[in-house]
Amino acid sequence: NAGVMQNPRHLVRRRGQEARLRCSPMKGHSHVYWYRQLPEEGLKFMVYLQKENIIDESGMPKERFSAEFPKEGPSILRIQQVVRGDSAAYFCASSPFGSTDTQYFGPGTRLTVL
Amino acid sequence: AQSVTQLGSHVSVSEGALVLLRCNYSSSVPPYLFWYVQYPNQGLQLLLKYTTGATLVKGINGFEAEFKKSETSFHLTKPSAHMSDAAEYFCAVSDRSAGTALIFGKGTTLSVSS
Repeated sequence: NAGVMQNPRHLVRRRGQEARLRCSPMKGHSHVYWYRQLPEEGLKFMVYLQKENIIDESGMPKERFSAEFPKEGPSILRIQQVVRGDSAAYFCASSPFGSTDTQYFGPGTRLTVL
Repeated sequence: AQSVTQLGSHVSVSEGALVLLRCNYSSSVPPYLFWYVQYPNQGLQLLLKYTTGATLVKGINGFEAEFKKSETSFHLTKPSAHMSDAAEYFCAVSDRSAGTALIFGKGTTLSVSS
């Protein structure tokens, strides 16, 4: 069973460009979470999605950030008009339907904004 | 609100010595508790978790942790450190509701010297 997959692993953008981060959950998992890790910090929750639904976006910045998890295909975290403060590692995690505990993490996408 | 405190951002031990990484949490409800390990430029790997039942939890790579409700602690230990244990370790908590986000501590970097 393949693990959580994220791509790209590294992404470089200039200020003002858009960043799209993709996450394919483990097979059979229908819950996806996005976290951001800033330097010297732990992971901070951003958004929780199920297929075609955003369940909890309490950790998402109000502007420029959006997320989706379509019926088909990977979950996408989109950052518009990136700024240098968006430079971070973005991790996706997935869990099985009905699970209340373990989240399985992908390798992350490291975003650098020049 | 839930929170996690990891005492000591850096811990250094000699190979073969005891590893003790401290984690204290605050939660208004009995929590689920987790330890994750992160190797450089990689995602998070689950070491162990406490949900219910036995308070001494055994994980992978010889690690274990004990849930102490009276102390609101979930410290991670390993009797004998190995060079390959050098990594960053994160303690996390969630409540028992399905699909909730993990709250992470800021992490502890473990260094192992020969």
